[in-house]
Amino acid sequence: QKEVEQNSGPLSVPEGAIASLNCTYSDRGSQSFFWYRQYSGKSPELIMSIYSNGDKEDGRFTAQLNKASQYVSLLIRDSQPSDSATYLCAGGNNAGNMLTFGGGTRLMVKP
Amino acid sequence: NAGVMQNPRHLVRRRGQEARLRCSPMKGHSHVYWYRQLPEEGLKFMVYLQKENIIDESGMPKERFSAEFPKEGPSILRIQQVVRGDSAAYFCASSPEGGNSPLHFGNGTRLTVT
Repeated sequence: QKEVEQNSGPLSVPEGAIASLNCTYSDRGSQSFFWYRQYSGKSPELIMSIYSNGDKEDGRFTAQLNKASQYVSLLIRDSQPSDSATYLCAGGNNAGNMLTFGGGTRLMVKP
Repeated sequence: NAGVMQNPRHLVRRRGQEARLRCSPMKGHSHVYWYRQLPEEGLKFMVYLQKENIIDESGMPKERFSAEFPKEGPSILRIQQVVRGDSAAYFCASSPEGGNSPLHFGNGTRLTVT
């Protein structure tokens, strides 16, 4: 059973701080990883994709991938109350045409 | 550039009725996926389809649920004889041909079974 694991949270951080969200995966054949943000009652929205080891930065977001440790993370710098949402980590299968989602981590950014 | 279109947004059915959920993928996307999300839970994969083919239905309940993606028209997720436990948000997502592409989600259909 291929799995993607996340701490359900909630993770609470003060406004302006760095939020660190973590994810582990079991399928060593996974080549692609994605972070989605989901506001309550809304659909998941893609915010980052990462395919190779290392860091990938996009604005206030940095995704980190460590394939040896089977670990993916998302850093959110200068967290804002509007970042409060559930963050879903997803990993692709060997062929890259299927995604398995983690259960999501709920982030709360307090003003 | 229209995104993934799902309808209806909200659907109320009485126990025993049938529910039909429709999904039109993004333009240029040939892969369609259906996920179910129960309140306060994560996304659970149900089925993956390409035009006229079911590629993976390992997440579909064995009974009452079926899905299709015909040559023409939207993908349909059909739930027969609905029960209260079917109440959930059903999300459709699409991706283009080829691997390692992210999924793009529709706004979902919220099914309520009374």
